[in-house]
Amino acid sequence: DAGITQSPRHKVTETGTPVTLRCHQTENHRYMYWYRQDPGHGLRLIHYSYGVKDTDKGEVSDGYSVSRSKTEDFLLTLESATSSQTSVYFCAIESGSATEAFFGQGTRLTVV
Amino acid sequence: SQKIEQNSEALNIQEGKTATLTCNYTNYSPAYLQWYRQDPGRGPVFLLLIRENEKEKRKERLKVTFDTTLKQSLFHITASQPADSATYLCARPNYGGSQGNLIFGKGTKLSVKP
Repeated sequence: DAGITQSPRHKVTETGTPVTLRCHQTENHRYMYWYRQDPGHGLRLIHYSYGVKDTDKGEVSDGYSVSRSKTEDFLLTLESATSSQTSVYFCAIESGSATEAFFGQGTRLTVV
Repeated sequence: SQKIEQNSEALNIQEGKTATLTCNYTNYSPAYLQWYRQDPGRGPVFLLLIRENEKEKRKERLKVTFDTTLKQSLFHITASQPADSATYLCARPNYGGSQGNLIFGKGTKLSVKP
């Protein structure tokens, strides 16, 4: 399995609180992605990174921010969590050689 | 941005038959398309990649085609087994480029009955 780890795996938080999800890779891949997956919507891209300190928005970026200060770590922050951000979040990595993306195990986030 | 659609939410077939899943894209052809398998509670797992200049690619019981005229990719599983039951996703790079920023279809849930 590719070396990609998400933490935490499960989290319940209250509306209005900040939340940070972490993705850690040991593959030294250039590209890192955050997706959310919801019934009826499939996987939707939130933000992605193409290098240290290089990030860009995806399809559903409102309410989320990201940071990548090291190649191996990509953080997703919900500044003020809302119930609509209850979802399963997946991190993915890709070498950039148009081969394949490797996904983490997912983080199930519930905002109450 | 580009769109990618998997028109069938679910497909039920009998064991031993061939499953055929469809993926359609809009606008210009991507440099490649990818297919993934996702089991409940797990992240997607890569299966196959097919490039724009390839008509067909095979891997064991899996076959993928890429038709730039129809703007479509077909994913076939021959001699299907109950263990093939899962959700299958297709993906493409978003801005027509050769890498990065993958977008996914909503997936087709395949159920193979014994």
